[in-house]
Amino acid sequence: GDKVKQSPSALSLQEGTNSALRCNFSIAATTVQWFLQNPRGSLMNLFYLVPGTKENGRLKSAFDSKESYSTLHIRDAQLEDSGTYFCAAEAISNYNVLYFGSGTKLTVEP
Amino acid sequence: GPKVLQIPSHQIIDMGQMVTLNCDPVSNHLYFYWYKQILGQQMEFLVNFYNGKVMEKSKLFKDQFSVERPDGSYFTLKIQPTALEDSAVYFCASSSVQDTQYFGPGTRLLVL
Repeated sequence: GDKVKQSPSALSLQEGTNSALRCNFSIAATTVQWFLQNPRGSLMNLFYLVPGTKENGRLKSAFDSKESYSTLHIRDAQLEDSGTYFCAAEAISNYNVLYFGSGTKLTVEP
Repeated sequence: GPKVLQIPSHQIIDMGQMVTLNCDPVSNHLYFYWYKQILGQQMEFLVNFYNGKVMEKSKLFKDQFSVERPDGSYFTLKIQPTALEDSAVYFCASSSVQDTQYFGPGTRLLVL
């Protein structure tokens, strides 16, 4: 089965609202990365996490290795936040291999 | 942030031909990776490379695939011969030791 389960698969938000994306891991994840893939396909790094939380502007991410999940919170969504968000985890058994979730396609509407 | 470059951005070739995808990683990075993304699907790990050697590869890294980085130049993925199912976007990434992997913009490969 999938090592990284990401939810929801798609999400539509009104501008200015908040939301949360989630990844559950069936592997012993040691680090997590979050990416935004734009419509052209380029991957933008959002966060690199060891267990704990990080914040950057309107984005906040948390990684709980004991409960095997990570979240990405988007506050005050803007049109330019639209795209596909991916989480990816490294496992204790395979450093330097990223296991990706299937992505959340986010559409922010005016 | 750090930039990984990939050449070419697009490649169309006939089945059975050889193709080489080129990656210019971040200059002080030591680990290099290739990932494959079929349209609309998730990213899948192919291979990682450190100190001139393949460290780990997935079952997607078929015998027809090879990687090298001769003399610190481009990190390359060669597919010989190509098959229809090799059509995908191939992403190169690089990192320093146990740190963020930075991804290139991808090479869109279409095998006809």
